[in-house]
Amino acid sequence: AQTVTQSQPEMSVQEAETVTLSCTYDTSESNYYLFWYKQPPSRQMILVIRQEAYKQQNATENRFSVNFQKAAKSFSLKISDSQLGDTAMYFCAFMKHLQETSGSRLTFGEGTQLTVNP
Amino acid sequence: ETGVTQSPTHLIKTRGQQVTLRCSSQSGHNTVSWYQQALGQGPQFIFQYYREEENGRGNFPPRFSGLQFPNYSSELNVNALELDDSALYLCASSRAGRLTEAFFGQGTRLTVV
Repeated sequence: AQTVTQSQPEMSVQEAETVTLSCTYDTSESNYYLFWYKQPPSRQMILVIRQEAYKQQNATENRFSVNFQKAAKSFSLKISDSQLGDTAMYFCAFMKHLQETSGSRLTFGEGTQLTVNP
Repeated sequence: ETGVTQSPTHLIKTRGQQVTLRCSSQSGHNTVSWYQQALGQGPQFIFQYYREEENGRGNFPPRFSGLQFPNYSSELNVNALELDDSALYLCASSRAGRLTEAFFGQGTRLTVV
């Protein structure tokens, strides 16, 4: 079974500054995906960024980037130039790589509430 | 906003009752997954439907059941509601073979009293 741990229940950052959210995971799988999702007060889970474990290069999406350390089983999210709209709950998630559709599921961490202050 | 629609948005039920939650998947998506998110926690996988059959299940009792229809929409049914069933229920749709590109609905907030 896979587990995902987010050790920071809450974080805050000033607008325009940079913040890093931490995530560690445990798995015996060699091929998998890692995700960061954002859940604003509207409750809808929105994909922020995705990393494939077999890729060495860290994923980036505009102001969002990850630091993927496979050996350490660490997957942190860096948000640059923080904006007020980044205020949300952020979840780290894991998915095993499976062929076609075989009940593949997301395993989520407990979340980190990020507040961006003006 | 995604094309995944859930109804109702809020629901209050009494312990012991039964409830049905609905999810319309995004156009072109044939796989629907359901998650339960208790207050202050991350979502937990309930089950997934593909081609109208259950295709994987998390650690939930049989009183949690579902259906998928030919148009790929889905229902989550919960019998004999318990207080601990109070949660946000999220559905996510995706294409088979592209499960890493799932889109979530806005959820149904279920309160059991």
